[in-house]
Formats: sequence, structure tokens, C-alpha cells
Amino acid sequence: DGGITQSPKYLFRKEGQNVTLSCEQNLNHDAMYWYRQDPGQGLRLIYYSQIVNDFQKGDIAEGYSVSREKKESFPLTVTSAQKNPTAFYLCASRALQSSGANVLTFGAGSRLTVL
Amino acid sequence: AQSVTQLGSHVSVSEGALVLLRCNYSSSVPPYLFWYVQYPNQGLQLLLKYTTGATLVKGINGFEAEFKKSETSFHLTKPSAHMSDAAEYFCAVSDPPGANSKLTFGKGITLSVRP
Repeated sequence: DGGITQSPKYLFRKEGQNVTLSCEQNLNHDAMYWYRQDPGQGLRLIYYSQIVNDFQKGDIAEGYSVSREKKESFPLTVTSAQKNPTAFYLCASRALQSSGANVLTFGAGSRLTVL
Repeated sequence: AQSVTQLGSHVSVSEGALVLLRCNYSSSVPPYLFWYVQYPNQGLQLLLKYTTGATLVKGINGFEAEFKKSETSFHLTKPSAHMSDAAEYFCAVSDPPGANSKLTFGKGITLSVRP
């Protein structure tokens, strides 16, 4: 079945360490997104990419980095510069169709805890 | 700029009672509107969407929502709550579809269903 796979599901990190969250999709979607979710704050956009080798900052990009070397993959690195990285991270994707609504497909998420 | 307001963070209903989750939006262009549901430690799943045409939209699991332009609202309803409806619900607004179209999410409402 087509979908989005995020790994790992749970991740623990010591302060000062970088960590990379994986996001892979087999939906042949053009655009991919990373959101951060904190209790009571909804979803906030970190980065997004509409095409391979190109990506844009979202609303809260500081302390994060991404790459888009393949259409299927959009990994997110949480760097040591991110001051409060403990959160639930969601990856999403969509097809860029002018006739279709902006419907996102989400992965199951990765929960990062900084010790 | 678009925005979504979901008043309150928690709604509790009895099993079999009406579910009403409120959503108001702000958009400078005709909006596309969405409701997503999130079960614990999972990603978001599309419940329903409004693009154009009929203002009463039916979705999965017996939910429906009505687009009211004059009230800038898109409230989610279900006539009879089930225990399985307990989850977090997010309203979102989007520009009309296109390559640069992005979703803006509300902060979410947690629905509890009492036996």
C-alpha cells in the first residue's frame, strides 16, 4: 500500500546532539512537508519541498535542516541549535495538481525526547 | 495571511450526544477548508474538505461540516458520538490549489466521549 513511513517512532537524544528523522513516501507525490506538533499549539510548519534539490523554510525553521536528494525522501535533522526540540514531528506529502485540493497525506510521526 | 481559530482546547460529550466542534477562519481569497482527525501517537487523517460547490460537506465516520461564508465558519458536527470518536480534531484553511499553496492549521480540539 502507498503511504508515508517515518522512522524512528520514538527517539531519545542528549542535549548537544544532532538527530535525523527519516521520511519516505511511495505515493509519487511532488511536495513534502515537516511539521512540529506541541500540545495546545497545533501544527507548525518547519520546512517544505516542492521539487528535488529544492526546499523552503517554514514558520519555525531555526535549528532544523533538511535535504531532498530523492523525490521519495525528505529527512529532517534536528540540530543542537534547536533550543527546545522535544516534540512530535510529522511528515506529510501531496501531489501538486492545479485541479486538486491541497490534501496532505501524513506519516505516523516521530516523537523526539531530549534528555 | 490566513488563520484558523478553534475556540477552546477540549470538548466533552456523552456517548450518543451531538458533537459540535467550532472553526472560524480568516482568508483574503476564497478558502479551501479541511478537518483532520488525529488519534493518539498517530498522524493526521482527512475527515472532510470543502473546495467549491455544495456548502454542506459529508465526510468519513458520520461527520459533516457546513461552510458559511457570512460567518467565516466551518463547524464540524456529528449527530451521535461514539466512544471511538475520542481524538484530536484540527481545522485547516488553504489557498486555492497551486504549487505554492500551503495549509494553515488551527490549534486543535480534543474530543472526549463519556460512556
